[in-house]
Amino acid sequence: NAGVTQTPKFRVLKTGQSMTLLCAQDMNHEYMYWYRQDPGMGLRLIHYSVGEGTTAKGEVPDGYNVSRLKKQNFLLGLESAAPSQTSVYFCASSYVQREETQYFGPGTRLLVL
Amino acid sequence: QKEVEQDPGPLSVPEGAIVSLNCTYSNSAFQYFMWYRQYSRKGPELLMYTYSSGNKEDGRFTAQVDKSSKYISLFIRDSQPSDSATYLCASFDTGRRALTFGSGTRLQVQP
Repeated sequence: NAGVTQTPKFRVLKTGQSMTLLCAQDMNHEYMYWYRQDPGMGLRLIHYSVGEGTTAKGEVPDGYNVSRLKKQNFLLGLESAAPSQTSVYFCASSYVQREETQYFGPGTRLLVL
Repeated sequence: QKEVEQDPGPLSVPEGAIVSLNCTYSNSAFQYFMWYRQYSRKGPELLMYTYSSGNKEDGRFTAQVDKSSKYISLFIRDSQPSDSATYLCASFDTGRRALTFGSGTRLQVQP
């Protein structure tokens, strides 16, 4: 099992450009999450999904959109990147009965110039 | 005020030392408490998980929760250089269904 995988590992964007981060999990988890990690701030939840076709906002959703068309995939989109979105992005997943135990991917480092 | 506070360190100890990592939290609704380990440029991995107050032991690691003082601890016995990482404490609010993380403590175990 690969667990949670993320694509790409690293990306540089110019302000105003758009991109999509892809997360995939092979553990048949119902719930999936997108977090960002910034120095001194810990991990903060951007959006999450409790099932295929459903998404919800987390703590810091502004500037991001998400989609969950398939149970195993969760996409995070930046429509118009800003320097404030420079961060490390982590995807996570969990079983519906065990939301408190989340399994994380390796992360995507994003630099917005 | 952050709901979960954690000293960022860095904490440097010699190999074989007992390490104590601590967090405090403010939300009384937190029921589950986790410790994640994060190696440099990697994703967090779940290390320990406890429900409510009490201790939980797993090999060299012991997690302790004191809900009366809102204090979370992780003890590492016989620390090894391979334990060098950032340790994140986290708490789960079953009402909000959200995981709240501390900012992490960086640990360096010197050979």
